[in-house]
Amino acid sequence: QLLLQESGPGQVKPSETLSLNCTVSGGPITSSSYHWGWIRQPPGRGLEWIGSISYLGTTFYNPSLKSRVFISAHPSKNQFFLTLTSVTAADTAVYFCAADYRHHYFDYWGQGNLVTVS
Amino acid sequence: SYVLSQPPSVSVAPGETARITCGAKDIGSKSVHWYQQKSGQAPILLIYYDSDRPSGIPERFSGSISGDTATLIISRVEAGDEADYYCQVWYTSADPEVFGGGTKLTVL
Repeated sequence: QLLLQESGPGQVKPSETLSLNCTVSGGPITSSSYHWGWIRQPPGRGLEWIGSISYLGTTFYNPSLKSRVFISAHPSKNQFFLTLTSVTAADTAVYFCAADYRHHYFDYWGQGNLVTVS
Repeated sequence: SYVLSQPPSVSVAPGETARITCGAKDIGSKSVHWYQQKSGQAPILLIYYDSDRPSGIPERFSGSISGDTATLIISRVEAGDEADYYCQVWYTSADPEVFGGGTKLTVL
């Protein structure tokens, strides 16, 4: 059973950079079974996949966010990270990290971290 | 990009069957996954690979796919099933993970 926990600031100023961490327990992020993903949900709206990183460090990004997103990982700390640059109010959302089984579906999710751009 | 179309809302009486659709061109050639999200909570995986259930998910939840439509079927609906439901597919390596817009299930 994997447990994921997001951490990071709850507020970011417009034009600045949003940075979030996800700490994974219950299994190594170097497992070949998983990619590690970020998904966000603006208030009152649906889910939007942001991007994922594979156990080899290969990254995949939502084309609509690709120019502003960077996902990295620190295997020895069993953490992965989200960086989103040049944020605007439209980036206000709950940000979830999730375990992406074989790059197909998300079977474990963090509780979410609300980030307000203001 | 690939668009998954879900009805914004579905209403059903307790004990009845709810059907939530997810439509897209050639969705039958892809694997569809479904999530349940209750208010203020993270989503949970409900169905994967069209019709498989993770351990702990009741048999009342099932999935099917035919042509351009995938369907989540909830039998014997309970008040506790009231939630938002999302479909998701893996599309291409350039645009891998796509979510539908979500359907709010209301239990009357």
